[in-house]
Amino acid sequence: ETGVTQTPRHLVMGMTNKKSLKCEQHLGHNAMYWYKQSAKKPLELMFVYNFKEQTENNSVPSRFSPECPNSSHLFLHLHTLQPEDSALYLCASSQVYGDPYEQYFGPGTRLTVT
Amino acid sequence: QKEVEQDPGPLSVPEGAIVSLNCTYSNSAFQYFMWYRQYSRKGPELLMYTYSSGNKEDGRFTAQVDKSSKYISLFIRDSQPSDSATYLCAMSAPQAGTALIFGKGTTLSVSS
Repeated sequence: ETGVTQTPRHLVMGMTNKKSLKCEQHLGHNAMYWYKQSAKKPLELMFVYNFKEQTENNSVPSRFSPECPNSSHLFLHLHTLQPEDSALYLCASSQVYGDPYEQYFGPGTRLTVT
Repeated sequence: QKEVEQDPGPLSVPEGAIVSLNCTYSNSAFQYFMWYRQYSRKGPELLMYTYSSGNKEDGRFTAQVDKSSKYISLFIRDSQPSDSATYLCAMSAPQAGTALIFGKGTTLSVSS
């Protein structure tokens, strides 16, 4: 595996389900990010981790819960989601926290909330 | 007014055409300007970046930044069907830390 991988690639869940998205980066980077990409909207930064410590939380609802056990893995735990949470969830990583140029993205998880 | 405005298109051109993609922004503190390309069912990949004003060229791609007009452009010369993708502009200000502010993206289709 190379680059940034995300699993699953597609997920359909009901509003009462609990699921988790997984991201793994094979680049030796120290910072990891979660973004949300909705149709007809710009990418929105959700969370940032630097050396496993959360550094940014952009007013994301508590039904989204991130976890970063080490610099290579990032999870997004989901519970009691709403239909408007349906979107493409992208993970990214960079060598240096705050580097505006070198964020590498994974392929994303397409989430549908029914 | 949104921080970054980008016409979503779609934009359809014949192979070999020159393509111009644009974004306008309102925050004069932005110093870093990026263009990402996103193919269907893939994540965005960094295509070009510039710091502050000026031009940057890389093969068939040229990025321009006009800070006085708060306007950035990406030109694609001799467009190819493989250029068909969504192009996202992104920008950030040094004091904003890691926050990249994205445009909505412009969908480009190049027909052979």
